[in-house]
Amino acid sequence: AQKITQTQPGMFVQEKEAVTLDCTYDTSDQSYGLFWYKQPSSGEMIFLIYQGSYDEQNATEGRYSLNFQKARKSANLVISASQLGDSAMYFCAMREGPRDDKIIFGKGTRLHILP
Amino acid sequence: DTGVSQNPRHKITKRGQNVTFRCDPISEHNRLYWYRQTLGQGPEFLTYFQNEAQLEKSRLLSDRFSAERPKGSFSTLEIQRTEQGDSAMYLCASSFPDAGTFNEQFFGPGTRLTVL
Repeated sequence: AQKITQTQPGMFVQEKEAVTLDCTYDTSDQSYGLFWYKQPSSGEMIFLIYQGSYDEQNATEGRYSLNFQKARKSANLVISASQLGDSAMYFCAMREGPRDDKIIFGKGTRLHILP
Repeated sequence: DTGVSQNPRHKITKRGQNVTFRCDPISEHNRLYWYRQTLGQGPEFLTYFQNEAQLEKSRLLSDRFSAERPKGSFSTLEIQRTEQGDSAMYLCASSFPDAGTFNEQFFGPGTRLTVL
């Protein structure tokens, strides 16, 4: 069964607008972690934000915030005030268990920011 | 440069040849991971090391694949008798697990393999 589902293969957003990238996950563990990574055309995976399953507040990092809805098993990434440099692939990922090292990635969403 | 480095960045080979990739992790990181990313997909876990010990291997890692980390520092990933299906980006990541962190993995730029 697919563990991480990203239903938006591609998105086009006007510069300066906010954008939400969807992510749902599937796990039977009570303790897990959720990540978002950005992959520009250069190929390097850039860590954006992390949410632990026991974290009560939604994670925020600058313009990035994670809308964590545990009961719905969703972990959407919100980018506020989008910039041209935000154009990239975005991957939602999950680590199952408290210290498990294996990260499972979704298929990604390609975000295009329009000037 | 204190990031994860990978060499070569690109490799083109003919089917049936052997290839070897190298990953140099961030110096104080004791865990090292290999992932494979095919076109249009997210990275898939292959294997990981804690120091020199290989602790987990994915079923994706066939007998033609072998990874080593002999001194607990750099790692090599070798593919023997390459097949066209091996064409992918091979990503390396490293981390330093700590009770106070979420064990963030730092990724290198990847090695893109093309098998002709």
